[in-house]
Amino acid sequence: DAGVTQSPTHLIKTRGQQVTLRCSPKSGHDTVSWYQQALGQGPQFIFQYYEEEERQRGNFPDRFSGHQFPNYSSELNVNALLLGDSALYLCASSLVRGGGYTFGSGTRLTVV
Amino acid sequence: QKEVEQNSGPLSVPEGAIASLNCTYSDRVSQSFFWYRQYSGKSPELIMSIYSNGDKEDGRFTAQLNKASQYVSLLIRDSQPSDSATYLCAVRGLDGTASKLTFGTGTRLQVTL
Repeated sequence: DAGVTQSPTHLIKTRGQQVTLRCSPKSGHDTVSWYQQALGQGPQFIFQYYEEEERQRGNFPDRFSGHQFPNYSSELNVNALLLGDSALYLCASSLVRGGGYTFGSGTRLTVV
Repeated sequence: QKEVEQNSGPLSVPEGAIASLNCTYSDRVSQSFFWYRQYSGKSPELIMSIYSNGDKEDGRFTAQLNKASQYVSLLIRDSQPSDSATYLCAVRGLDGTASKLTFGTGTRLQVTL
């Protein structure tokens, strides 16, 4: 039973560039949430997708956008990268009816 | 006031002792509570969930919830060096469906030999 998979694991981008991160949820899960975790901080909620729609959104600018596909996989897109976007980006999947989240191993994004 | 508050630590306990990790939350209608363990450079791993007042035990871990005091804790008995990690408290709101988890900043636990 595959867990949550994220790609790529590491990424280095230049300020102003755009990046796309990908996530495949745990088998049987239908909801995908994205978090940003800066060094020494707890994960901060970016947004959540269910049935290919954004259900909830955290306090992140419109530069952060996402998508969920019919197979429940998801993408996180960040435009006009800033140095402050450097962080660990975590994808978590769950069931819409509740329960805990299962996290992927994360994508470490470095903006230079 | 932060939604979920934890002491950042580090909390240092000797091997074999009980480690007590605490968390308070501000949203009185919160329904679901979770403890995650995160090793340095790794992603969070769910270790306990609790939904009702009282204690819930799983092996060496006990989660305690007091909704009246808006307080949730995690006890780790017989602490081992492998327990050294950051422990994240997470809370879900009134919406019983998969609404967002709000995390605290985490408490760093160090188990010393």
